[in-house]
Order: sequence, then structure tokens, then C-alpha cells
Amino acid sequence: DGGITQSPKYLFRKEGQNVTLSCEQNLNHDAMYWYRQDPGQGLRLIYYSQIVNDFQKGDIAEGYSVSREKKESFPLTVTSAQKNPTAFYLCASSMDGGGYGYTFGSGTRLTVV
Amino acid sequence: RKEVEQDPGPFNVPEGATVAFNCTYSNSASQSFFWYRQDCRKEPKLLMSVYSSGNEDGRFTAQLNRASQYISLLIRDSKLSDSATYLCVVNMGAGTASKLTFGTGTRLQVTL
Repeated sequence: DGGITQSPKYLFRKEGQNVTLSCEQNLNHDAMYWYRQDPGQGLRLIYYSQIVNDFQKGDIAEGYSVSREKKESFPLTVTSAQKNPTAFYLCASSMDGGGYGYTFGSGTRLTVV
Repeated sequence: RKEVEQDPGPFNVPEGATVAFNCTYSNSASQSFFWYRQDCRKEPKLLMSVYSSGNEDGRFTAQLNRASQYISLLIRDSKLSDSATYLCVVNMGAGTASKLTFGTGTRLQVTL
């Protein structure tokens, strides 16, 4: 079955450490996205990529980095520069930039300890 | 003004009730519209797209009013399993600038 896989489901990080969240899709979608969701709040766009080897900052890119070396993969690194990284991170993909909506992965819950 | 605005609720309704949510958006050039459902601590899932002519899927009806820039979702005969947060989503760009903007969601709690 086609879909998006995010791993790990839960991640604990010590302050000052970088961590990388994985996102892989086998839907053959060109565009991929990273969102952050805080309790009781909406989704905020971190980074997005419309094509391989290209990506753009979203609304809250500071403290994050991404790469898009393969169509299937769009990993997100949460760096130590991110002041408040504890959140629910969601990866999504779309075939056409959103005209038919996005498909989401099941998310990674990151906690800084 | 927020780009996509929703009443956060919660809407507490008894089983079998009809409930309606509205959502307003700021960009009159927006191209496509959706309702997503998000269960607690889960990812959002596409509930339905919203078309200018209105569309229905079983107990769910979505409507778009471009002139007033609002979208609605009507749920008839509410079930306990309908309890969730409903996200209004708008595609405000086009082509390579296309990306979705999410409302903060309206929480629905259906009770016995």
C-alpha cells in the first residue's frame, strides 16, 4: 500500500542535541512538507519542497534544516538552535502542490528532556 | 486577521443531532478548499474537498461561498465516532506557489 512513513513515533532529545526525523513516501508525489503542531494549536509550516534538490522555508524555519536528495525522502533536522522543539511533527506530501489535498504521515512526537 | 479562521469550539452535541461549522478565509484568489478531520494525537485525514456547487458524502455536506469567503461543513445524525477536531484548509496559491493553509480547528464532542 502506498503511503507516508514517519519515524520514530516518539523521540526524546536532550537539550543541545540535534535530532533528525525521517519521512519517506512511496506515493510518487513531487511535493513534500513539514509541519509542527503544538497542543491546542494549528499546523505551522516549517519547510516544503516542490521538487528534488530544492526546498523553501515555511513560516517557522528557524532552528530547522531539511534536505531533498531523493523524491521519496524529506528528512527534518531539529537543531540545538530551535528554542522550543517539543511538539508533534507532521510530514505530508502531495502530487500537485495541494490541489487535491495532502496526505499525512502518522507524525513524530518530540520531547526535549 | 488570520488567513483561515474557525471557531475553536468545543461544540458539545447529543448523538443524532445536526451540527454545522463555518470557516472564513482571507484570500479571495484561493483555489481549492478542504475539510480535514484530526483525532486526538493523530495525523489529519482528508474528510472531503469543497466545491463551489456544494458536495455531499453520506451524512456530511460541504459548501463554499466565494462571494463571502466562507466554507461550511454540516454533519447530520451525529455519531459518537464523529468526535474529533475538524480543520478547515485552503489552498491560497497556484502552481509552484501552491500550498495549503490550515485553520486551527473546531472541536466536536458528541455525547450519549
